[in-house]
Amino acid sequence: GAVVSQHPSRVICKSGTSVKIECRSLDFQATTMFWYRQFPKQSLMLMATSNEGSKATYEQGVEKDKFLINHASLTLSTLTVTSAHPEDSSFYICSASSGGAKDTQYFGPGTRLTVL
Amino acid sequence: AQSVTQLGSHVSVSEGALVLLRCNYSSSVPPYLFWYVQYPNQGLQLLLKYTSAATLVKGINGFEAEFKKSETSFHLTKPSAHMSDAAEYFCAVSIAGRRALTFGSGTRLQVQP
Repeated sequence: GAVVSQHPSRVICKSGTSVKIECRSLDFQATTMFWYRQFPKQSLMLMATSNEGSKATYEQGVEKDKFLINHASLTLSTLTVTSAHPEDSSFYICSASSGGAKDTQYFGPGTRLTVL
Repeated sequence: AQSVTQLGSHVSVSEGALVLLRCNYSSSVPPYLFWYVQYPNQGLQLLLKYTSAATLVKGINGFEAEFKKSETSFHLTKPSAHMSDAAEYFCAVSIAGRRALTFGSGTRLQVQP
């Protein structure tokens, strides 16, 4: 199956710093990538949808200036958490899709962010 | 808007017993339905998906699910549980024109020896 990687897998940072998380589709071209957030023992909540070459679409309640998403190529999307605070600590998971709604979303392994 | 309800946040079965994880959906248009499995500190792996073809969908690891429109359900089953099936299972829905997934709250499956 298609493979999606995320880097880093785990990051610890100080409050006020920015953290960049990369999501790569390794063996297919992802026209659309999605970013989800998962709190402990909870489900995944969609943060934003990004299409290659265009601005991301953010879900209601997600601050676009805080969670910067860039989808500059068909194989790479980045999520930057700016001025991170402890409440931003979470598990961030990306997924990638090469086609329409019927097409499978392939998920990355996730990034555990801890903000001290 | 679409939504997914997973009944039972925890399900415990004995090894070799039937696994049944329940999922009901709500959607104003024909949905696409998915089951994903998540192991601790990992991403999600697709088990199976329904995209308006056959209503009985077979997936990986011996899992299958049946789409029942009249019941708005998409329950996941496996005839015989294995210890390696212990994980978190998520049901998800998407609709045409909106590829993002809406997830249920998840069901943690425990398999007792």
